[in-house]
Amino acid sequence: AQRVTQPEKLLSVFKGAPVELKCNYSYSGSPELFWYVQYSRQRLQLLLRHISRESIKGFTADLNKGETSFHLKKPFAQEEDSAMYYCALTSFQKLVFGTGTRLLVSP
Amino acid sequence: DGGITQSPKYLFRKEGQNVTLSCEQNLNHDAMYWYRQDPGQGLRLIYYSQIVNDFQKGDIAEGYSVSREKKESFPLTVTSAQKNPTAFYLCASSIRGIETQYFGPGTRLLVL
Repeated sequence: AQRVTQPEKLLSVFKGAPVELKCNYSYSGSPELFWYVQYSRQRLQLLLRHISRESIKGFTADLNKGETSFHLKKPFAQEEDSAMYYCALTSFQKLVFGTGTRLLVSP
Repeated sequence: DGGITQSPKYLFRKEGQNVTLSCEQNLNHDAMYWYRQDPGQGLRLIYYSQIVNDFQKGDIAEGYSVSREKKESFPLTVTSAQKNPTAFYLCASSIRGIETQYFGPGTRLLVL
């Protein structure tokens, strides 16, 4: 069965520190993976998707098929990065979400 | 924001009552989705629809029903059979099923 695992419920870092939000998946085939973000009092929105190979707000994510991972990284965290982050994959025309990681960036 | 709207923002349900959550989009998207968001459980798919007059059950469809009579509308009814309805409900849409999903602001359902 398709599954997305985000092992950390909460990740707390100081401003300027590197950030890595972990995401592992199980999927038979070639997955399409996404990171969605939900800032306080805002709606859930797409942050990035692996096929775009973009860097959004300084975040990047590389698909590692050998390790079945799609970790989200940023070299220097900012306070405005504090939010709930969800990793997701597309399966049969629907999204399967992980349980989310709350990132807290302290000054 | 805009494009996909949900109403009401808060909804209160009494014991044994059915309630309906509204979801409307003006993005001309074919696909629409309903998710339930609970703390520590992420988003779980309730129902989804790829085209008008057709919809499929998601992972937690029991106690819920939907309709898709118009492309822009996908209402969700929480029936009295749903024993634990208190949650945050999110509606989403996408051009097609494999594309980026756009989310509404959500409806918080509380039980009196």
